[in-house]
Amino acid sequence: AQSVTQLGSHVSVSEGALVLLRCNYSSSVPPYLFWYVQYPNQGLQLLLKYTSAATLVKGINGFEAEFKKSETSFHLTKPSAHMSDAAEYFCAVRDHTDKLIFGTGTRLQVFP
Amino acid sequence: SQTIHQWPATLVQPVGSPLSLECTVEGTSNPNLYWYRQAAGRGLQLLFYSVGIGQISSEVPQNLSASRPQDRQFILSSKKLLLSDSGFYLCAWSVRGAASVSPLHFGNGTRLTVT
Repeated sequence: AQSVTQLGSHVSVSEGALVLLRCNYSSSVPPYLFWYVQYPNQGLQLLLKYTSAATLVKGINGFEAEFKKSETSFHLTKPSAHMSDAAEYFCAVRDHTDKLIFGTGTRLQVFP
Repeated sequence: SQTIHQWPATLVQPVGSPLSLECTVEGTSNPNLYWYRQAAGRGLQLLFYSVGIGQISSEVPQNLSASRPQDRQFILSSKKLLLSDSGFYLCAWSVRGAASVSPLHFGNGTRLTVT
């Protein structure tokens, strides 16, 4: 069965610093992977998705993620954090029945 | 363009009272529809999903039920709420037939507090 694990429930960075949010997946088939962002009391917004076209995926708001099959990882990065990036981030994998399985989320704090 | 509407945005209900949360999608046909619950400090738990009118799959045994009376309408219900039903409920849709590549599009959620 497919699953994702997000390492670190909380990540804190300074404004302008690199953002790295970790996600490892488990899948018996080639995975389709997604990153979502959730701002307080709102729904989830798609940041980017991996569908096997390219291993480096660029998303909205300057975020990108790299699919590494050898490491079963799909970490989310942004070169320079902005205060507006403070939110909760979810990694997800789609399973063979077309459902999306989410990780437990990582809350990103950005300090001035 | 497609839009998804959820209401109400917030709801406070006493234990034992009924529940009805509604979700509608506009601008697309034959979507897959989903209900997720997000409890404080936890991830998203898939409650129900539907691939068509009257076709509902339940993911976990619980006090809730779902119905899809129309193609783009998805309703989450309970006859008697429990304290443990409190949480943030999210409705979502995806393109049917696009299989794995279609992302989920979420509504803005309903914050339910059972007192």
